[in-house]
Amino acid sequence: EIVLTQSPATLSLSPGERATLSCRASQSVRNYLAWYQQKPGQAPRLLIYDASNRATGIPARFSGSGSGTDFTLTISSLEPEDFAVYYCQQRSNWPPITFGQGTRLEIK
Amino acid sequence: EVQLVESGGGWVQPGGSLRLSCVASGFTFSTYNMNWVRQAPGKGLEWVSYISSSTSIYYADSVKGRFTISRDNARNSLYLQMNSLRAEDTAVYYCARGHSSSWPTPDVWGKGTTVIVSS
Repeated sequence: EIVLTQSPATLSLSPGERATLSCRASQSVRNYLAWYQQKPGQAPRLLIYDASNRATGIPARFSGSGSGTDFTLTISSLEPEDFAVYYCQQRSNWPPITFGQGTRLEIK
Repeated sequence: EVQLVESGGGWVQPGGSLRLSCVASGFTFSTYNMNWVRQAPGKGLEWVSYISSSTSIYYADSVKGRFTISRDNARNSLYLQMNSLRAEDTAVYYCARGHSSSWPTPDVWGKGTTVIVSS
């Protein structure tokens, strides 16, 4: 089973700043990595699939990069609604698909 | 509008059973792969099961032999039969559609239904 490790666990930033979230895989997942956003009491929302493809309706300030074992989700300029928990997920070697433990993005 | 609506959650004693349902609308259900994903209180996301449009089926090791996924394309519905429930199965259970090209990546999620296993 592929383990995904996200860092940092918590990221404290202000609106307007740039956010950089990391996800590292225990073995190569090629480019088969997705990113989700989850707000309290809500279901996750797909942001990025296959490392760098924005899902339908996702604003351009969200971008993904990376391949192999190291991936990054970048939010270019934080909006108030972007403060949430973010998860990465791999589909390279499944079942099972696996998720990272999450990064909490909080307002500084 | 693409929508998934789960139901069937509730409280059950350890060893008991529940059947979750998910009704899909706004897309051609029969052509999509589907997933169940769960989230224990205060924890992260855990994939539970997958069924393809052609009914290939996979389970997480944690539920294999206890849970059964199925679908009824005529009713646009996905199901999860959960038997021999344990306290560690307590979670919000989400029905999630598999992405059309990046399957099984869940792309559309329901709001979830809560399962509590406790004596």
